[in-house]
Formats: sequence, C-alpha cells, structure tokens
Amino acid sequence: QKEVEQDPGPLSVPEGAIVSLNCTYSNSAFQYFMWYRQYSRKGPELLMYTYSSGNKEDGRFTAQVDKSSKYISLFIRDSQPSDSATYLCAMSGGDSSYKLIFGSGTRLLVRP
Amino acid sequence: DAGVTQSPTHLIKTRGQQVTLRCSPKSGHDTVSWYQQALGQGPQFIFQYYEEEERQRGNFPDRFSGHQFPNYSSELNVNALLLGDSALYLCASSLKAHTGTGRVEQYFGPGTRLTVT
Repeated sequence: QKEVEQDPGPLSVPEGAIVSLNCTYSNSAFQYFMWYRQYSRKGPELLMYTYSSGNKEDGRFTAQVDKSSKYISLFIRDSQPSDSATYLCAMSGGDSSYKLIFGSGTRLLVRP
Repeated sequence: DAGVTQSPTHLIKTRGQQVTLRCSPKSGHDTVSWYQQALGQGPQFIFQYYEEEERQRGNFPDRFSGHQFPNYSSELNVNALLLGDSALYLCASSLKAHTGTGRVEQYFGPGTRLTVT
C-alpha cells in the first residue's frame, strides 16, 4: 500500500463547476500538506500549503486537512479551462521531514 | 525573483551511458532536492543537498549521485543508464531553516526529460 493515495482520474467538469480533489494517507506523522498543479511536461507549481488540520483559502482555492481521518482535499470554485492540469498532493513530517511524499496525481479537465 | 532553473530541457541517451543534469535554486534558497517522476506518477525523492553534502537519500541505487556547489547550484549524475531511468527529473529548492522541522516548502524547476534508448 502506498503512503499517499490519490485517484488518477481523469476528472472532467464543465466550466464554472466546483471541483473537489482528494488524497488519503497512512502515515500519522505527516504534519505539512501541500497541493501542486502540474501542466503537461512542466514542473509542479505550489498552489496551497497547510500545517496540521484545518482549512486554508486562497482566491478560488480552498485546502482542507482532516488528520483524524488522514484525508485532505482541495476545492476549486468557478473552475476555468486554464485549471486543466494534473493536481498532486504532497506531504511531509516525521521520518519524511526532509522530503515530500507525493500522490500519483489527479488529471483534471475543465470543459469550456 | 529568479525561480528554479534546470538544464538541459531534454536529453536522449543510450543504455549504459552516463548523464549529468544541472539545477540552480530559487534566489535566497540554500537546499536542493532531486526527484524522479515517471510518466503518470508522482515525483519520487532521490536525495537532498545542503552545505555541499547529501543530507538524506531516497530508495535509489548508487548509480545516482549528486553534488552541490558553493553557490548552492547542484548536479545530478546517473551512471550506467537503464531503460527504466527514462523520466522527468525535477529539482526543487528550499530553505535549510525549515528542513528537519517537517516544514518542507519546496519550489520546483521545469525539469529535465531524460529518454534512455
């Protein structure tokens, strides 16, 4: 079993929809949670960064962390075609304090 | 503000050859990590360099080695290339002050796409 599980998709939604992306994890030592956006053949771009449990909002993006359930989410409001990309969750903490542990990524397609 | 830069963009090598990839960290950052991303997968941690030393290593063989220079830039070397080494190689930079606390806010470069034939 992988430390971080993420549905690969693809997830296809119409423009303007609310998108929900999720990851589950098994290592209770993880404390820092990140979401990256990766366009095709490009490097990952840091979108959101959250410490421990709770919510964080930045523009159209909201990140949620539920450590009791070992579950994190990224919500995208008013989705745009330019949001079409692969979204990677990443975590660190405990023995993995130096490195990021990534999910496999969810491919999102926002249809005009 | 200069971001993370990597060179070359693309590279094609033959099995058994050796390759060197280069990375310059984001301005103000002093720590460089390297990741391998196979097609359709998330990045996998190779190793991290700080103060010109390898600080932590992921589950990669000794064929993978690296170096960090006094200006914080870094190289990744892969010897005896295998077909399975074909991937996107990503460099990420961060601040040492955060390392070891669990806070690993890393910024990635565009990557080098390596194809081994």
